[in-house]
Amino acid sequence: QSVLTQPPSVSAAPGQKVTISCSGSSSNIGTKYVSWYQQLPGTAPKLLIYDNYKRPSGIPDRFSGSKSGTSATLAITGLQTGDEADYYCGTWDSSLRALVIFGGGTKLTVL
Amino acid sequence: QLQLQESGPGLAKPSETLSLTCSVSGGSISTTNFYWAWIRQPPGKGLEWIGSIYDTETTYYSPSLQSRVTISVDTSTNQFSLKVTSVTAADTAVYYCAKASITGTTRYFDSWGPGTLVTVSS
Repeated sequence: QSVLTQPPSVSAAPGQKVTISCSGSSSNIGTKYVSWYQQLPGTAPKLLIYDNYKRPSGIPDRFSGSKSGTSATLAITGLQTGDEADYYCGTWDSSLRALVIFGGGTKLTVL
Repeated sequence: QLQLQESGPGLAKPSETLSLTCSVSGGSISTTNFYWAWIRQPPGKGLEWIGSIYDTETTYYSPSLQSRVTISVDTSTNQFSLKVTSVTAADTAVYYCAKASITGTTRYFDSWGPGTLVTVSS
């Protein structure tokens, strides 16, 4: 059971917008930066968003991140079938000895 | 561009030690402020941070694995390694090595290896 809560699954049609939430607490998301990872089937995770909203070079601006209070959100616009993947949020928690913690992951289905 | 590649046996017997190596290319493993990490993913489950090493010798381990895990760096080969002792079926997972960017406020993994599946079975 992760301290970061993500919905197990979300779905939307191609071309639509979808949001994935990551809920935490004041000791993690509330006071720390959040990152997001995309894991396509059978591949390693890839960094999508860091420092709440920054995108690494090469990540399209269809992907955006935001944070409010103790929750973070990943938004994907103009959905494509190639976006079908598992998405994980990550951060750290000042009350835990772990350097990094991950959410349980959200499976995105593009209908 | 930094590239990472895991290697090691794909099968380990219960109670034995799992050993993996991550080869780093496109950059030096001794680069200041680089953290190197191991992360695992049991089949069908989420990501679990195992541990990290910083500045070639400072280590951090997951509290749940700390008693069984060792991470070390070999600067002569530009590799870092993972050892997990007394393995059980619960240690069956895809193991990833990664480079982490860690400061006082931010922590994220910006380069990953493709992963290697380790099965614990007799």
